[in-house]
Amino acid sequence: GNSVTQMEGPVTLSEEAFLTINCTYTATGYPSLFWYVQYPGEGLQLLLKATKADDKGSNKGFEATYRKETTSFHLEKGSVQVSDSAVYFCALSNGFGNEKLTFGTGTRLTIIP
Amino acid sequence: GAGVSQSPRYKVAKRGQDVALRCDPISGHVSLFWYQQALGQGPEFLTYFQNEAQLDKSGLPSDRFFAERPEGSVSTLKIQRTQQEDSAVYLCASSLGRFLTFGSGTRLTVV
Repeated sequence: GNSVTQMEGPVTLSEEAFLTINCTYTATGYPSLFWYVQYPGEGLQLLLKATKADDKGSNKGFEATYRKETTSFHLEKGSVQVSDSAVYFCALSNGFGNEKLTFGTGTRLTIIP
Repeated sequence: GAGVSQSPRYKVAKRGQDVALRCDPISGHVSLFWYQQALGQGPEFLTYFQNEAQLDKSGLPSDRFFAERPEGSVSTLKIQRTQQEDSAVYLCASSLGRFLTFGSGTRLTVV
């Protein structure tokens, strides 16, 4: 079955530091990959996505590249801000139109000024 | 509406009580999902509707959990005889295509 393994947190960084949150997956077929973000007190929001191998998703300075050879979708940002403090979830769905998502356990990120 | 709306936002139930959680999806969204998010964990799939048809209920943890979407719009997740292990945030999401929009969830605490 499908599974997502995500870098465990919590992660604490100083403002303007470089961020990497690792994510690897196991799936049948050709999944689509996602990063969702959950800010305190809010619902899950789609941060970025990639639907096929070698695609790069990007949004708000965050990037992730769909690497089929390493079954990975690591999240990166070059310079984090305090406002990036949140919980980040890696997720996948099967690529044949089923939108059911399988999530990782989440990584709590705290950015200190 | 502009987003997915869930109510109540918080619910405290005594063990053994029945609860009903409501989801108002984005107008026109065909697909509707329910997820359960335990504390410190990622969301886990419960059930999926396409219009009024419940196409997948493989994630419902027991027969105490029941979901419906009778007119293909609003959905209700019902939990009978709540147990402490049911304490979680219940998330609803809707979609017109591939990507989901989530509501803010209902936090259920069973005491």
